[in-house]
Formats: sequence, structure tokens, C-alpha cells
Amino acid sequence: DAGVIQSPRHEVTEMGQEVTLRCKPISGHDYLFWYRQTMMRGLELLIYFNNNVPIDDSGMPEDRFSAKMPNASFSTLKIQPSEPRDSAVYFCASRRQGGLATEQFFGPGTRLTVL
Amino acid sequence: TQLLEQSPQFLSIQEGENLTVYCNSSSVFSSLQWYRQEPGEGPVLLVTVVTGGEVKKLKRLTFQFGDARKDSSLHITAAQPGDTGLYLCAGVKSFSTDKLIFGTGTRLQVFP
Repeated sequence: DAGVIQSPRHEVTEMGQEVTLRCKPISGHDYLFWYRQTMMRGLELLIYFNNNVPIDDSGMPEDRFSAKMPNASFSTLKIQPSEPRDSAVYFCASRRQGGLATEQFFGPGTRLTVL
Repeated sequence: TQLLEQSPQFLSIQEGENLTVYCNSSSVFSSLQWYRQEPGEGPVLLVTVVTGGEVKKLKRLTFQFGDARKDSSLHITAAQPGDTGLYLCAGVKSFSTDKLIFGTGTRLQVFP
């Protein structure tokens, strides 16, 4: 079975450009999470969806960040305009509906570099 | 403010040594998970603990959840190079949220 799929795996862009990161969760999973990982701040939750509906976006750093989940098999995280401080590895994760012990499955991440 | 502090931050040891990683908080968590992350990959779940005082074993790895559910530890016996990676604890604060709060991480290097 395919795991969580993210694209692109690497993205290099210039400051001010729009960046779109993509995620395909595991089929049948009800929750989708977007995280950002940096050496300084570790792994931070940006936003999560339940049944395609955004539940908590309190981790989204600024209005430059937006996320959508138009259907159960696809989500995007967009940064517009991008800034050098947005450079990080962005992970998407998904899990089934269930209790607190339910496992989150992470994608391989997108390494974003903003010059 | 980081709710989950891990120690040590970095650990370099020789194959065969034992080690313990700690995950501490002043907050109570309803459940806690441990993940391992290898370079270029996402974190992978190792274990979930939900009961205060719970101990779980996974081959050479022993996980413990503190009695007050504020802290946890991961002990590795006879470490092997394959144990190398970033170890992350992650907790859920209450039954009313689905959010995982990740710890600061412990980077382990095991040399042959």
C-alpha cells in the first residue's frame, strides 16, 4: 500500500515567489496534518483537517500561509509570498478516525529553500 | 514555550552501550507517543503509552510513562548502529483535541 505522498520532494525558489506543496494522504484516513520542521523550532503543527474540514489553523505562522483540502485524497499548503525564513522541511501526515493512540503516518517531506 | 523538553539533545555512543532519553513537561498528557526519524524521511511511530506508570517493551527498547503522566523515558539496551536517528516524543494534552505536541528531539548516533 502506498503511504502518504508528498510533492515536490525538494523546492528551491526565490524570495517573493509563490510556493505550493502537495499531499496525498493514505486512502481511508480521516485526518490530515501539515507540519514544519526546522533545527531551531523542531517539528511544529501548522494546521489539521478532519474529513476535509480545517479544524485548527492556530499554528499557521502568517497570512502568507494557506492550506486547502478540496477532497479526501488531496491537500495543498501554499506560501505567498515566500520568505527566506520559510525555509524548512514540510511534512504531511494522515491518520484514521480513532482514539488518542491512533498512529499518524508521515510523508517523506518537502525540503523548501527560499533564497 | 516548548511544552515537551527532551534530554539529552545529542548523544553519541559506541555500539553495545545502553542509553536513556528523557521527555519532560510540567503539563499532564492524556497519551504520549515516541517516534524515530531517519535522515530524509518522516517520523515513524515506535510506541504509544496511555496509562500513568505504563511500561512497554519493543525488543531492546523500553518505554515508560510517568505516574503523573507528565514525563516519559526511552531506554535502549545494547545500542546498534541501526538505532541511529532522531527520537521524538509527542503528547496529546487532553481528550478534547487531536493535536500532537512534539518534543524538542534527541539526535542519537551509534558508532560501530
